[in-house]
Amino acid sequence: DSGVTQTPKHLITATGQRVTLRCSPRSGDLSVYWYQQSLDQGLQFLIQYYNGEERAKGNILERFSAQQFPDLHSELNLSSLELGDSALYFCASSVTPRGTGGRTEAFFGQGTRLTVV
Amino acid sequence: GQQVMQIPQYQHVQEGEDFTTYCNSSTTLSNIQWYKQRPGGHPVFLIQLVKSGEVKKQKRLTFQFGEAKKNSSLHITATQTTDVGTYFCAGLRDYKLSFGAGTTVTVRA
Repeated sequence: DSGVTQTPKHLITATGQRVTLRCSPRSGDLSVYWYQQSLDQGLQFLIQYYNGEERAKGNILERFSAQQFPDLHSELNLSSLELGDSALYFCASSVTPRGTGGRTEAFFGQGTRLTVV
Repeated sequence: GQQVMQIPQYQHVQEGEDFTTYCNSSTTLSNIQWYKQRPGGHPVFLIQLVKSGEVKKQKRLTFQFGEAKKNSSLHITATQTTDVGTYFCAGLRDYKLSFGAGTTVTVRA
């Protein structure tokens, strides 16, 4: 158990709909990352939050948005869903992105498998 | 933007053989991390390399960080069926952890 909780585990929805994926990071971790993994694909970085603020942005579509709340949990909102958005969405958390000497590894949740039909 | 390239994408290995997967970044990294994702699972952290030229070993796995801190490699000796999965490298720079596409390893018994 990584300590990172993602809900729901599975989600099936229709095209055009909007969904919210939720992530609770490990206790004490300030940094949250969101990744998308399509079938047989690598991990595509979407966005990163650090202590409530957006820190880095990847190839995140305008239809997608995210936020990190004061209690450090994060939500990823996907709207106007298309068939191509079907994927496994991972959330990961880490202690801190700063420095090179400290431990900065990411701990991944089990993922949310989104199927758009 | 920062890109992390990883090759090969697939590695089919005979049990007992060795193989290496390579990771290259377009920019200098603060550190390089390696993860393993078993089929149906989530990525799990293996190791972090920080210093230029650093080499670390975990049993049959040897990890290297290049002198310029832009490339890394993972070498597995005497591959076992338990090594099956996808190995990702991830480079940390400016708070952003960017993953390579991964090397998916299958093992022939």
